[in-house]
Amino acid sequence: SAVISQKPSRDICQRGTSLTIQCQVDSQVTMMFWYRQQPGQSLTLIATANQGSEATYESGFVIDKFPISRPNLTFSTLTVSNMSPEDSSIYLCSAGEQGTEAFFGQGTRLTVV
Amino acid sequence: DAKTTQPTSMDCAEGRAANLPCNHSTISGNEYVYWYRQIHSQGPQYIIHGLKNNETNEMASLIITEDRKSSTLILPHATLRDTAVYYCIVLGTGGFKTIFGAGTRLFVKA
Repeated sequence: SAVISQKPSRDICQRGTSLTIQCQVDSQVTMMFWYRQQPGQSLTLIATANQGSEATYESGFVIDKFPISRPNLTFSTLTVSNMSPEDSSIYLCSAGEQGTEAFFGQGTRLTVV
Repeated sequence: DAKTTQPTSMDCAEGRAANLPCNHSTISGNEYVYWYRQIHSQGPQYIIHGLKNNETNEMASLIITEDRKSSTLILPHATLRDTAVYYCIVLGTGGFKTIFGAGTRLFVKA
């Protein structure tokens, strides 16, 4: 199993600013992912964070809005850029190996005012 | 990966077995059934997975029908702490993206 730590756990941000969320895994993993969970909704996959190359984004999500870095096999960041109140959500990091169970962080609760 | 269908919500009395159904009629031969749950304000937690045989671990049992088109997650003695949203997900051996549906909101009542 993998233990995933996210920072910050929550934040309140002004509209128009950007927030970078960090995800640290306690062991090397092949796959890392970022999800968004809007209030009362299920999780929506934003992108796959690829080590050493550009992230792969799902439909409806773009790199300019959600730039992602993955410099090594244990760490990734997600930036929410030029925030608006509609970006208020929980953002979750996930990690695992291909074809196996995924492990999740506790999420970052973002409120944009 | 195949889609899944789950009831929106279910109730269960504390101490009784909670049986959560999932339909995955388009599942293919190399796809596993995974179950996760999400307790309020926490990240999703892996519970169990299986291919075609029934599986049991310390948390739950997974019963998969012979035709593999549906499955049931069983929490043998539900407690109040089992109140959560339960997600049934199908994932192939070569799959790498866990896609969540709406899940079943289980309420365990005293």
